[in-house]
Formats: sequence, structure tokens, C-alpha cells
Amino acid sequence: DAGVIQSPRHEVTEMGQEVTLRCKPISGHNSLFWYRQTMMRGLELLIYFNNNVPIDDSGMPEDRFSAKMPNASFSTLKIQPSEPRDSAVYFCASSPGGSNQPQHFGDGTRLSIL
Amino acid sequence: RKEVEQDPGPFNVPEGATVAFNCTYSNSASQSFFWYRQDCRKEPKLLMSVYSSGNEDGRFTAQLNRASQYISLLIRDSKLSDSATYLCVVNIRGGNTPLVFGKGTRLSVIA
Repeated sequence: DAGVIQSPRHEVTEMGQEVTLRCKPISGHNSLFWYRQTMMRGLELLIYFNNNVPIDDSGMPEDRFSAKMPNASFSTLKIQPSEPRDSAVYFCASSPGGSNQPQHFGDGTRLSIL
Repeated sequence: RKEVEQDPGPFNVPEGATVAFNCTYSNSASQSFFWYRQDCRKEPKLLMSVYSSGNEDGRFTAQLNRASQYISLLIRDSKLSDSATYLCVVNIRGGNTPLVFGKGTRLSVIA
């Protein structure tokens, strides 16, 4: 069974560049989540979607971050312009929806902004 | 008070030992509880759900104490491969809202 698929696995770019992270959730899952993980802060929820609609983006650090989910099988997280402090591992997760459902994570994108 | 709180560790235990982690949560109305495992440089993976009556999966036992608002994970006969970070996860806000992840407890099993 295909799990959550993220791309790219690694991204190294210079500050000021635009970065786009991609995610394909598990087919049939109604909820999609974007997280950022660092040693200092642990796993932080950035934004989540239910049925392709953004529900809560209060975790997005600032206006440089944006996320879209144009259809049930694809989502993007964009950082423009990127800064060194954005360096982290970004995870996408999906779940069937509902309060008793666990979330399933992709492999993550390891982002380094130089 | 943090929504989900765990002792960060590290817990360093010899192979074969029994080790237990606790996790406290802030909202007494929370309904869903999970333990995830995260290996170094990997994604979090679901280890087990935690049910009200407690549940067991091989060497792993999870328990819920609603009165004191904590969940626990017991690992018996520790293996080297159990070395990882264990994340306590709670549906703090109820309904169809995101799960809240603790910062994790690091376990190192030593030969």
C-alpha cells in the first residue's frame, strides 16, 4: 500500500529562494497536515486541511509560508522568500478523519537554507 | 501547563530490562491517545493506540489513567532495536481536530 509520499526528500538552497514542498496523501484520507520538526521545538503543526479546505493555519510562522490543496491527492507548502531559520524537517501526514484516527506520516523533506 | 508533556530522557537501559514512560495531558475531556515511535532521521510511526481498558501488543503495554490524566507505555525485555524516541500523542481538542504530539522520550537500549 502506498503511504504518504513527499518530495523532494532533501532540499538545499540559498536564502531568498522560493521553496516548494509536495505531498500526496494516502488515497481516501480526508485530512492532511503539514508539520515542521526541529531539535529545539519538536514537532509543530503548521496547517491542516479537511476535505481540501484549510481549517487552521495558525501554526504557519509568517506570511512567507503558504499552503494549498488543489485536490484530494495533492498539497504544496511554499516558502517565499526562504531564510536560514526555516531549515528543518517538514513532514506531511494524512488521516481518514475523525477523532479516533491516527495520522500517517510521509518520509519528510529535509530542508537546508544556506 | 503544556498540553502534552513527557520526560525527554534519555533513558539508558540494558538489553532485557523493563522500561516505562509516562505522559501527562492537560484536557480531561481528551478521547483519543496514541504512542508513536520515531527513529533518528525518520518519520514518526504509529506504535499503538491506547484504549481505556489498557492494551498490549507483544512486549508493549499501554495504559490510560483518566483520573490522573496520564498515559503510560511499558516495554518488557528491551531489545537494541527499541532504541528510538517515543512520542505521546493525544486528541486534546476533541472531534476532528489534529492530534497534539509531545516532544518525545528518548530511549537507548545498551548491549
